[in-house]
Amino acid sequence: DAKTTQPPSMDCAEGRAANLPCNHSTISGNEYVYWYRQIHSQGPQYIIHGLKNNETNEMASLIITEDRKSSTLILPHATLRDTAVYYCIVRGGSGGYNKLIFGAGTRLAVHP
Amino acid sequence: DTGVSQNPRHKITKRGQNVTFRCDPISEHNRLYWYRQTLGQGPEFLTYFQNEAQLEKSRLLSDRFSAERPKGSFSTLEIQRTEQGDSAMYLCASSFPGQRSVSSYNEQFFGPGTRLTVL
Repeated sequence: DAKTTQPPSMDCAEGRAANLPCNHSTISGNEYVYWYRQIHSQGPQYIIHGLKNNETNEMASLIITEDRKSSTLILPHATLRDTAVYYCIVRGGSGGYNKLIFGAGTRLAVHP
Repeated sequence: DTGVSQNPRHKITKRGQNVTFRCDPISEHNRLYWYRQTLGQGPEFLTYFQNEAQLEKSRLLSDRFSAERPKGSFSTLEIQRTEQGDSAMYLCASSFPGQRSVSSYNEQFFGPGTRLTVL
């Protein structure tokens, strides 16, 4: 079972920041938080990951709370092409780094 | 295109028929994964290979399902005696552990999937 909880859907206006929350209250000390997204009719795509520090790359920023029980994926300037299902995944530790365990994700709709 | 490729992209079959899907991973990737995704759900892990060795199989992989990766390159997933419940998107992914630091360990690159419809 997925170790994360996400809202089923969110909306965002084009050009605004999209903030996608994720709860992972049972995360252990050596588990990472990963984010993937899946655009309609495509395979999932890796976005970003982190352990405890905030991370930023060309796609997004990841903010992890100090207690690591939740995180937020930030798309700073959402575009229509960011419309997708976003999956927050806890990975590593005793579960290993092999399979990805997906939940239902958050369906983000970016509108004009 | 140097990404993961899957063939066919779509397959329609009648119940009881056998089907086979192919996945070609990114060339230097030694790990290959199969997932299944039904409508409205996230992908579910089925199995994975490291080189030609099948190292883990999900309980979802019934005895009607078999996956192979004979030379450690491409992989096939066969479903025998298909059932309507097998209708889903079958996704393949590949990775190369150790490519980066441990914090980037095993990032998986997914193919476009094969959509199976069992009538």
